[in-house]
Amino acid sequence: SQTIHQWPATLVQPVGSPLSLECTVEGTSNPNLYWYRQAAGRGLQLLFYSVGIGQISSEVPQNLSASRPQDRQFILSSKKLLLSDSGFYLCAWSVGTGFEAFFGQGTRLTVV
Amino acid sequence: GQQLNQSPQSMFIQEGEDVSMNCTSSSIFNTWLWYKQDPGEGPVLLIALYKAGELTSNGRLTAQFGITRKDSFLNISASIPSDVGIYFCAGLTGTASKLTFGTGTRLQVTL
Repeated sequence: SQTIHQWPATLVQPVGSPLSLECTVEGTSNPNLYWYRQAAGRGLQLLFYSVGIGQISSEVPQNLSASRPQDRQFILSSKKLLLSDSGFYLCAWSVGTGFEAFFGQGTRLTVV
Repeated sequence: GQQLNQSPQSMFIQEGEDVSMNCTSSSIFNTWLWYKQDPGEGPVLLIALYKAGELTSNGRLTAQFGITRKDSFLNISASIPSDVGIYFCAGLTGTASKLTFGTGTRLQVTL
């Protein structure tokens, strides 16, 4: 069966520091991968999605970037964090088009 | 861009009551999904709907894909305390692999 791993679960980082969040999927090949952000008490906002290795689409302009170095690995990064980058970051995967997405457990990022 | 309006924003109900929430869109979706999110966790898929008019059940949950493909509803029958959480609808178009999420319905169940 397919599983998705996301780490770390929580992170506290100072303003101006770099960021790297990692997500890996097991049990499937060539998944679509997504990074979402959820502000406290709000809905999910799509940040990036990828349909293949090295293929990244950005949904909103921001201080973050994403990379997909391997088929089942998706990384969210920043060179210098801002206070406004705080939030709950969720990785998700799906297969094909028009099918449901499955989420990781999320990373709670607090920028101080 | 596409927007999903979800209502109500929050609900306080008593254990045993039935719950109904809905989602409307200004655009057509080919797939409607309903997720539940517990505090500090990722959303968990409850029900997936792929066809206009489709009515699908999963235990005490029932969801329908509206005929116009611009709306969906979720019903929970005989609510229990573990139903507490935030419920999100999400729409998917066939030409893209990305979900558009509703704003969520926060459900509180009192004993």
